[in-house]
Amino acid sequence: GQQVMQIPQYQHVQEGEDFTTYCNSSTTLSNIQWYKQRPGGHPVFLIQLVKSGEVKKQKRLTFQFGEAKKNSSLHITATQTTDVGTYFCAAPPYLSGSARQLTFGSGTQLTVLP
Amino acid sequence: DADVTQTPRNRITKTGKRIMLECSQTKGHDRMYWYRQDPGLGLRLIYYSFDVKDINKGEISDGYSVSRQAQAKFSLSLESAIPNQTALYFCATSDLNYNYGYTFGSGTRLTVV
Repeated sequence: GQQVMQIPQYQHVQEGEDFTTYCNSSTTLSNIQWYKQRPGGHPVFLIQLVKSGEVKKQKRLTFQFGEAKKNSSLHITATQTTDVGTYFCAAPPYLSGSARQLTFGSGTQLTVLP
Repeated sequence: DADVTQTPRNRITKTGKRIMLECSQTKGHDRMYWYRQDPGLGLRLIYYSFDVKDINKGEISDGYSVSRQAQAKFSLSLESAIPNQTALYFCATSDLNYNYGYTFGSGTRLTVV
């Protein structure tokens, strides 16, 4: 089945530093979503990217979808302690038909040191 | 009230016992999902249901069963729990095109001893 590889698995940064997590797929993706899970919490939807080369911003967060729609990234500028958590990418099968359940990456756990 | 409610929040059970995890949603969505989360493995799909009469196995369905009692209710059962089913379980729901993503419940932390 489809796999979405996410790196790095862990990232420690000093508060104020930037952070980036990457998702890669061997197959073309129809779209990709990003979620954030705070420690002890549940995943919360952040955004969906659909178009080739799409870039979306949410305050200090920048999301990109690759031109070939096989990779995506989430970049956080000037991290804050509130950014702590695990970030997941997720994508459905490209030729999904009626099977449109999401496959999640393994996540990147971000620690922000004050 | 939460859009997706899971019960119980925590459960400790013995090996071999049958256990049911329950999920209900107020989003009015047809699609519901059960995921399992283990450290370093992300979220893995156990079962999903696109409507009351449509239930499908996910990538790790062995040892689990589900029941879609109504549009709003989707329960997960472990017929005979084993220790490697110790994990955090999430229920989620989405609309047809999940343009607004999945809405997850708060999770059930299950420990099998």
